[in-house]
Amino acid sequence: AQSVTQLGSHVSVSEGALVLLRCNYSSSVPPYLFWYVQYPNQGLQLLLKYTSAATLVKGINGFEAEFKKSETSFHLTKPSAHMSDAAEYFCAVRGFMEYGNKLVFGAGTILRVKS
Amino acid sequence: GAVVSQHPSRVICKSGTSVKIECRSLDFQATTMFWYRQFPKQSLMLMATSNEGSKATYEQGVEKDKFLINHASLTLSTLTVTSAHPEDSSFYICSARRGSYEQYFGPGTRLTVT
Repeated sequence: AQSVTQLGSHVSVSEGALVLLRCNYSSSVPPYLFWYVQYPNQGLQLLLKYTSAATLVKGINGFEAEFKKSETSFHLTKPSAHMSDAAEYFCAVRGFMEYGNKLVFGAGTILRVKS
Repeated sequence: GAVVSQHPSRVICKSGTSVKIECRSLDFQATTMFWYRQFPKQSLMLMATSNEGSKATYEQGVEKDKFLINHASLTLSTLTVTSAHPEDSSFYICSARRGSYEQYFGPGTRLTVT
């Protein structure tokens, strides 16, 4: 069965601190992986994507994620949080067998940045 | 990046009426568009996949007669919620695929049925 797990529905960090949002997936073959950000009452904006090239992917706004096949993980990081990073983040996977070639989203993680 | 627009951004309608939501890819042609529904504090749930010139493919549990999808051109897909009821109130988001894997999302439409 398809599965995208985001550990922690809420994450709170101080401004300037490291941001780490976790995502694990289940798939028999490495899928394509994505991180999206959603601000209140808005659609989703693509932060970054992994499509079987370099395992360390850099995205917009200083975010990056590393694909680790052995851990089936694609955690999102940012060295220094900014107040404007406060939003909800979704990990998504698109595979070609279990997922039916469709994007499947995790439950989302709300990031709160404290001043 | 690619731009996807949705109209209207929010709509309030009375129970029993129908509402049409438009999704447009502004700077690219999208052979495939997707419609999602998002309940408060929840993730996106795929409702249907829309291919230009053919019938939409609905996910299990989504009523095709209630949520009519038309993909009339490579840049426009519409979702019509027919005979809307309060339980249809939700945030509807469309997405358009460019190329083989990139999906771009619209800003969403907040539907409130009174």
